[in-house]
Amino acid sequence: DVKVTQSSRYLVKRTGEKVFLECVQDMDHENMFWYRQDPGLGLRLIYFSYDVKMKEKGDIPEGYSVSREKKERFSLILESASTNQTSMYLCASSPPSRGSVKKPQHFGDGTRLSIL
Amino acid sequence: EDKVVQSPLSLVVHEGDTVTLNCSYEVTNFRSLLWYKQEKKAPTFLFMLTSSGIEKKSGRLSSILDKKELFSILNITATQTGDSAIYLCAVDFTGTASKLTFGTGTRLQVTL
Repeated sequence: DVKVTQSSRYLVKRTGEKVFLECVQDMDHENMFWYRQDPGLGLRLIYFSYDVKMKEKGDIPEGYSVSREKKERFSLILESASTNQTSMYLCASSPPSRGSVKKPQHFGDGTRLSIL
Repeated sequence: EDKVVQSPLSLVVHEGDTVTLNCSYEVTNFRSLLWYKQEKKAPTFLFMLTSSGIEKKSGRLSSILDKKELFSILNITATQTGDSAIYLCAVDFTGTASKLTFGTGTRLQVTL
């Protein structure tokens, strides 16, 4: 089974702090994703990566950056945390879709981040 | 703009009832539609649908896609309290990394 592990289940930080959220997958997947999940808004894509050192902006990248130095690890960075970044953060990974063979994303358990 | 809309937003049913959850979409370059179940933690994958009119089934859950009318339904028969969850619909519309656009989800509560 695919295992996507997020380093923290709950995290409390202060406004202005630099925050790191870590995600590790054990299935050698090329693709990795960071989402945030808010009531009434569903899951929204922040950033994704389809290879080591490659990254692309998702739908809501403002205030965030990412790092992918190794294939199995994808980090989300809040450069200067603000209260509107309080949310549930979900990491996911998937192998690449090759032609007609499509594979679903697999999710970690999430990190509930509170910014005070 | 690519968009995925789920209905209803929430639903309360009694154990044993049958429920139908809806997902409609407006996306360019459609590739597939996925259903996930989210209880307290990670969304878990249920179905991936790529072809119109072909039902996917797993136990009491089934799903079908209509690519002409741009919607999918998820059916759950003989509901149990363990089916209580948020059901998420997502569409894979393009790109090398299979980006997903999610709906807001349907919160299902099954009561005794």
